Amino acid sequence: KAGVTQTPRYLIKTRGQQVTLSCSPISGHRSVSWYQQTPGQGLQFLFEYFSETQRNKGNFPGRFSGRQFSNSRSEMNVSTLELGDSALYLCASSPRPTSGSGYEQYFGPGTRLTVT
Amino acid sequence: KNEVEQSPQNLTAQEGEFITINCSYSVGISALHWLQQHPGGGIVSLFMLSSGKKKHGRLIATINIQEKHSSLHITASHPRDSAVYICAVRDDKIIFGKGTRLHILP
Repeated sequence: KAGVTQTPRYLIKTRGQQVTLSCSPISGHRSVSWYQQTPGQGLQFLFEYFSETQRNKGNFPGRFSGRQFSNSRSEMNVSTLELGDSALYLCASSPRPTSGSGYEQYFGPGTRLTVT
Repeated sequence: KNEVEQSPQNLTAQEGEFITINCSYSVGISALHWLQQHPGGGIVSLFMLSSGKKKHGRLIATINIQEKHSSLHITASHPRDSAVYICAVRDDKIIFGKGTRLHILP
């Protein structure tokens, strides 16, 4: 099976712009979670989608949003980019929702976003 | 105080040494994960634990639910084990530790 893929792998944007990142889960996986990783804060949970519905959301401002399509692919969007949004954005997939479950997550390689 | 604390933050050891990385947490959890992240960013899930002990090759993970503590051990460490090891706890959300940067010298 192909692993989790994320596109693009690298991205440079300017403050104030918006960005859309894409994640394709492992075939058959219906849950996709998104994470932000920065040197200062480490890994932080953004949101989780299952069957096109957002199940959980982390403590991020409304500029961060996401969605999931019927084929389980997911996108996240960050509007009005700030310098502090520079980070590695990781997505992970699992067969079922991960909250309280015994399902492992499989991580993609990440998208490195630089905001200038 | 962070809800998930890892120690040490950094660890340098010689090849062959026995390595222990610790994780303490303060919240109720349904599972605890140990993750490995190599330079370049890719993350691999090593273990998912809810009780007891798991072993995979040279890696061993233990968890003590009553003490809210987990350890990751690496036996016969090798330079390819050099990576950042991250502890994460899960209930309805997932909370990550800051990671332990491990460097194994040949």
